[in-house]
Amino acid sequence: QQQVKQSPQSLIVQKGGISIINCAYENTAFDYFPWYQQFPGKGPALLIAIRPDVSEKKEGRFTISFNKSAKQFSLHIMDSQPGDSATYFCAASMRSNYGQNFVFGPGTRLSVLP
Amino acid sequence: NAGVTQTPKFQVLKTGQSMTLQCAQDMNHEYMSWYRQDPGMGLRLIHYSVGAGITDQGEVPNGYNVSRSTTEDFPLRLLSAAPSQTSVYFCASSYRFGGGTEAFFGQGTRLTVV
Repeated sequence: QQQVKQSPQSLIVQKGGISIINCAYENTAFDYFPWYQQFPGKGPALLIAIRPDVSEKKEGRFTISFNKSAKQFSLHIMDSQPGDSATYFCAASMRSNYGQNFVFGPGTRLSVLP
Repeated sequence: NAGVTQTPKFQVLKTGQSMTLQCAQDMNHEYMSWYRQDPGMGLRLIHYSVGAGITDQGEVPNGYNVSRSTTEDFPLRLLSAAPSQTSVYFCASSYRFGGGTEAFFGQGTRLTVV
């Protein structure tokens, strides 16, 4: 129930195209769903996040779509650029009194071709 | 503004050796955690701390010890290194806001156990 599934494992997109990464979860107690971006040799960094009371959140070229009934959420990168080439992790977490522990998906390695 | 600083960046250990991975943050966050990152498995939580003097186990705690004597520092100790502990280790510091939690990751320590 703590697992977060993520697909695809790797993705190759042409510059200007749309990149789509999908995630699914089982535990309905999760209440916060961030996406992290990681460049080689660096730690993950928060990209965008959503709570389950909204179905979509957009920040620039990045959009999260959230389907609460299906327990699925996805990241869409519009007008993908070579600089977007990185590994993307979806995550899910539950609030506690002190903070949140994240359960991460296995990651998607995105390559955007020039 | 240093954020989360991990040392060392690279380390090679022999089986059975012990060592401490250092983590320091300058954001005055109460919540800190250690993850390991393995190919195809995302990030898995090892131990976490909700404040000085308070620690707890995560998903994969065996073979690791932690302590939290100050808000700033959260070292991870490998008691007797094993090849299965070859991984990239990330320390994170996080804060809770109204809608969720943002985690800040260090740049990682790449550990090889031979």
